[in-house]
Amino acid sequence: NAGVTQTPKFQVLKTGQSMTLQCAQDMNHNSMYWYRQDPGMGLRLIYYSASEGTTDKGEVPNGYNVSRLNKREFSLRLESAAPSQTSVYFCASNGQDAEQYFGPGTRLTVT
Amino acid sequence: LAKTTQPISMDSYEGQEVNITCSHNNIATNDYITWYQQFPSQGPRFIIQGYKTKVTNEVASLFIPADRKSSTLSLPRVSLSDTAVYYCLVGDMRGGQAGTALIFGKGTTLSVSS
Repeated sequence: NAGVTQTPKFQVLKTGQSMTLQCAQDMNHNSMYWYRQDPGMGLRLIYYSASEGTTDKGEVPNGYNVSRLNKREFSLRLESAAPSQTSVYFCASNGQDAEQYFGPGTRLTVT
Repeated sequence: LAKTTQPISMDSYEGQEVNITCSHNNIATNDYITWYQQFPSQGPRFIIQGYKTKVTNEVASLFIPADRKSSTLSLPRVSLSDTAVYYCLVGDMRGGQAGTALIFGKGTTLSVSS
């Protein structure tokens, strides 16, 4: 039982490049989330998926797209990366008991 | 959307009890109060959750007064390894009903010294 996994762990992009951050969970959770965390700040919700086949915007969705590929996987895409998107990205999931489980994070730098 | 207010930072010494208070004046009837802990370079980790009165687990206690407009996370006999950021969240996440109710804020940075 790996919990929540994220790939890659680190990534450096140039401005304008695109990439997809991958997230998977093996706990059969319905809900999955993407957050970003900037230095010295709390986590801000980008997008979430309450169940397979549905996605909704969170607090800071601009510049991102998501796909809930199946119950296990929830990906985050940056179509045209900007330096303001330099951050640590966390994926999380939760089931019926409301406890959120977080992945180890992806550290993204956009130059 | 219930917003929370908690101290930016707290200092303590090993072996002391630490109490971190969170204000949530606009808490809704269905909202639960949840606390998370985050170490540097790691994702947050669930500590405790409650609805009213007192909840205790092997890690912490959570005290919630009758009006539920605030809550206090109590960490007994802290050690150096309890140095972390602690987040208070208010929302109803049962059955995956979360979404925009998940506002982490900046949390409280607890520093424990020897």
